Amino acid sequence: EIVLTQSPGTLSLSPGERATLSCRASQRVDRRYLGWYQQKPGQAPRLLIYGASTRATGIPDRFSGSGSGTDFTLTISRLDPEDFAMYFCQKYGTSARYTFGQGTKLEIK
Amino acid sequence: EVQLVESGGGLVQPGGSLRLYCAASGFTLSSYSMNWVRQAPGKGLEWLSYMSSSGSTIYYADSVEGRFTVSRDSAKNSLVLQVNSLRADDTAVYYCARDLELGGYYYFAMDVWGQGTTVTVSS
Repeated sequence: EIVLTQSPGTLSLSPGERATLSCRASQRVDRRYLGWYQQKPGQAPRLLIYGASTRATGIPDRFSGSGSGTDFTLTISRLDPEDFAMYFCQKYGTSARYTFGQGTKLEIK
Repeated sequence: EVQLVESGGGLVQPGGSLRLYCAASGFTLSSYSMNWVRQAPGKGLEWLSYMSSSGSTIYYADSVEGRFTVSRDSAKNSLVLQVNSLRADDTAVYYCARDLELGGYYYFAMDVWGQGTTVTVSS
């Protein structure tokens, strides 16, 4: 079973700064199967990125995804106050099983 | 507006059962593959089950196989999750989520989520 490990666990930054969130897989992951979600307290997850680098509908272009193999990155170019939230990476696997990373909390410094 | 609304959660004793519902609006549920995902308090996301658009293919996570059953009520445009033999570690917010489909092709992510329904297992 492929395990996704996100780092850092918590990232403290200020609005306007650049955020770089990492998702590392224990084995190679097909880029098509890698996604990123944002979740704010009391809300459902929101799809940000699919296929490792394609923004979902309505997602601002300050969000970008990159990576391949076992290392994937979500970058937020200039943090907006509304971007402070939890972020999860996700892998799609055999038998339609989704696996999620443990999450990165992006908090205001 | 495309929307999913879950219901049916509540407080249940260990060993008990609940029936969770996911009502879709703005789209036809049977045209999409659907999932259930849960989140324990303060924890991450755990995928639970998948149903294909045809309903002919169903998968479960090992943690719920044999205890949870997913079905669909096409007349009500709803997905149903029957949860049995509940344990304390089943306490969570339960979400239904739609697989992302564009132009007839699936993109291995979930693009529409409900707001969740809370299941608390406690004596």
